[in-house]
Amino acid sequence: SQTIHQWPATLVQPVGSPLSLECTVEGTSNPNLYWYRQAAGRGLQLLFYSVGIGQISSEVPQNLSASRPQDRQFILSSKKLLLSDSGFYLCAWSSAGGSYNSPLHFGNGTRLTVT
Amino acid sequence: AQSVTQLGSHVSVSEGALVLLRCNYSSSVPPYLFWYVQYPNQGLQLLLKYTSAATLVKGINGFEAEFKKSETSFHLTKPSAHMSDAAEYFCAVSDRSDYKLSFGAGTTVTVRA
Repeated sequence: SQTIHQWPATLVQPVGSPLSLECTVEGTSNPNLYWYRQAAGRGLQLLFYSVGIGQISSEVPQNLSASRPQDRQFILSSKKLLLSDSGFYLCAWSSAGGSYNSPLHFGNGTRLTVT
Repeated sequence: AQSVTQLGSHVSVSEGALVLLRCNYSSSVPPYLFWYVQYPNQGLQLLLKYTSAATLVKGINGFEAEFKKSETSFHLTKPSAHMSDAAEYFCAVSDRSDYKLSFGAGTTVTVRA
């Protein structure tokens, strides 16, 4: 069966520090991968998605970047964190090559607090 | 572009009462629609999805949703609320042109004993 791992679960970082959040998927090949951010009362905002290694689409201009160095690994990064980067970050995957009704499968998220 | 609107950010129901969560969509083409549930400090879990095979969709945990094209709605219901249903619920839409989902702002459900 497929599983998704996301870490760390919680993170407290000072303003101006770098960020690296990692997500890996097991049990499937060439998944579509996503990074979402969830702010209180604002639903989920799609930040990045990837349909293959090295292929990253950015949805929202911001202080963050994403990379996909391996087929089932997705990394969210920042060189210098801002207070506004605080939030709950969710990684997700869906089956590639299938219908557009393939559901997303989410990790358990990372709670980032920038102080 | 497709979008969904969830009416009501908070819903409070008594245990055993009907749960009704409202979702209206906007899409230029027949959409795919989804409901997800999120428990505190966890990721989202799929409850059910509509893909045009049937307008009434049954999901996990006793939830179901009905697609009504004339009303552009996809409301989620459960006949009898349980304490374990307390969570945040998200409606999402895909317009069949890519693999991205657009989510609503979410509805938090509180269940009173």
